[in-house]
Amino acid sequence: DSGVTQTPKHLITATGQRVTLRCSPRSGDLSVYWYQQSLDQGLQFLIQYYNGEERAKGNILERFSAQQFPDLHSELNLSSLELGDSALYFCASSVGAAGGPLTDTQYFGPGTRLTVL
Amino acid sequence: QQPVQSPQAVILREGEDAVINCSSSKALYSVHWYRQKHGEAPIFLMILLKGGEQKGHDKISASFNEKKQQSSLYLTASQLSYSGTYFCGTSWDAGNMLTFGGGTRLMVKP
Repeated sequence: DSGVTQTPKHLITATGQRVTLRCSPRSGDLSVYWYQQSLDQGLQFLIQYYNGEERAKGNILERFSAQQFPDLHSELNLSSLELGDSALYFCASSVGAAGGPLTDTQYFGPGTRLTVL
Repeated sequence: QQPVQSPQAVILREGEDAVINCSSSKALYSVHWYRQKHGEAPIFLMILLKGGEQKGHDKISASFNEKKQQSSLYLTASQLSYSGTYFCGTSWDAGNMLTFGGGTRLMVKP
């Protein structure tokens, strides 16, 4: 157990809908990262927040957005869902700047499996 | 640009050794290795920094060759529990963003 929690564990929805995935980082971690993993594929970095501010953006679609709240939990919003959005969505957290970026270990949550029908 | 992992898949018998490579087309600052069981979260193994260092714990170790822009993960005397997909994540600058390779599937058979 990494200490990172994600809800819900599974989500089944229809095309065109909007969903929100939630992540709570490990106690003391200031950075949160979101990744998408399609079936049997690698991890695609979506976005990173550090202490409430967006720090880095990857291949995140315009239909997707995220935020990190003052209590450091984060939400990933996916809208106008398409079949191709079906994937495992992982949240990871790290200490952040304190440990230095090069040695900042990311700890992954259990993921949310999204199925778009 | 995504790092390239090789081989894509490997099957071992218990007790055999394996090497997984992670190559980058750009100079590396750090390499992070993870193992993922099917449908589960990636589990952190180790971080290596530029400088050619080698790290290890138990029977899993890794090296970082800055000149070759490559890192290698060494699994010795493999156990059934080593089965899974191994990912390397690389950073090319001082930022935290990692770019992950496509993964190497390792299966250890009795």
